[in-house]
Order: sequence, then C-alpha cells, then structure tokens
Amino acid sequence: KAGVTQTPRYLIKTRGQQVTLSCSPISGHRSVSWYQQTPGQGLQFLFEYFSETQRNKGNFPGRFSGRQFSNSRSEMNVSTLELGDSALYLCASNSGTGVHEQYFGPGTRLTVT
Amino acid sequence: QKEVEQDPGPLSVPEGAIVSLNCTYSNSAFQYFMWYRQYSRKGPELLMYTYSSGNKEDGRFTAQVDKSSKYISLFIRDSQPSDSATYLCAKPPNSGYALNFGKGTSLLVTP
Repeated sequence: KAGVTQTPRYLIKTRGQQVTLSCSPISGHRSVSWYQQTPGQGLQFLFEYFSETQRNKGNFPGRFSGRQFSNSRSEMNVSTLELGDSALYLCASNSGTGVHEQYFGPGTRLTVT
Repeated sequence: QKEVEQDPGPLSVPEGAIVSLNCTYSNSAFQYFMWYRQYSRKGPELLMYTYSSGNKEDGRFTAQVDKSSKYISLFIRDSQPSDSATYLCAKPPNSGYALNFGKGTSLLVTP
C-alpha cells in the first residue's frame, strides 16, 4: 500500500504571497490531519478533515485554511505569508475507523523570505 | 499547560547505552499512548503503542506508562547510531483523530 504523499517537498515564497500544499492519504483512509512543525514549538495541530468536513481546528489564524476532496485528498492554504510561517508542514492520514494511529507523509518544507 | 510535555534534549549517549526518554501528560480519556520516531528530513513514524497497564516490549524498545504520576517512558537497550532521531510521545485527543504530541526529544547515539 502506498504511503502518504505530499507535494511539493520544498517551497520558497516571499512575504505576502500565498501557498497551497497538497496531501494524498493512504488509500482507504478518510481522515487527514495537518500539523506545523518548528524547532521551537514542535508539532502543532492545524486542522483535521474527515469525509470532506473539518472536524477539529487548532489555534492558528484564519490565514491557514484547508479542505478535503471526495477522494480524501486534502489541501491546505496559507495566505499573506509571514516569516514565522517557515516550517515543515506535515500531513497525516488515519483510517477513521476508531484507532488513533496516524501515518505521516514526508512533509513540505516551506521557507518564507 | 500543554497536554503532553517532553524534555527536548538533546540527549547524547555512547553506542550500547540504555536510553530513557520521558513524557508527562495532563489528562487522557484513553488508556493508550504512542511513541513516534522522526529521522532528520522525514515525517514521524509510529514506533510503539503503549497501554496504561504494564510495559510493552518490542525488541530493544520498552514502553511504560505510570498512570499515578501521568508519566510515559520509552527505554532503548543497546542503543545504536541508527537510533539517532527525535522521539515524540503522543496521546489521543478527546475527539477526532489528530494526536496531541510532545515537542520531541532529540537523541544522538555516538559510535
């Protein structure tokens, strides 16, 4: 079974721009969660989608948004980028059948200059 | 207070040493916790589940939960340079599937 894939793997943007990151979960998985990872804050939860509905949201500003498509693929968008948005963005999928085991993708490394 | 607290390290040990990694948690509606391992430039991978009763052993790795003190531990025996990574403890949320992670402990095993 193919793992979680994320594109692009690396991205460099300038302040004020917007960015869209993509995640394809493991086939059959219905839950997708997004995390931001920085050296200072560790893994911080952004949001979780299940069957195209946002089920939970972390404590991030409205510039961070996401969506999930009918095939469970998910995208997250960050508008008006700030230097502090530089981070590794990780996507994780879960079967959605009750167990909490999450499978992570390799992440997208975003650098904002 | 974060739901899971973890000493970020870094922790440096010689090859063959026994490593002890620890987390504390504030509360949990569930009776199990997880340890993830993250190599540099990779996403975290699930290493072990651990339930709140007793120890769980998997090869050189042993996970332990102390419910009374809300303490989660991971022990690595005969540590190897390939164990050098960041270790993250996690607990399930009260709802949904997104886990609550500690900040991770960076481990370096030197030959």
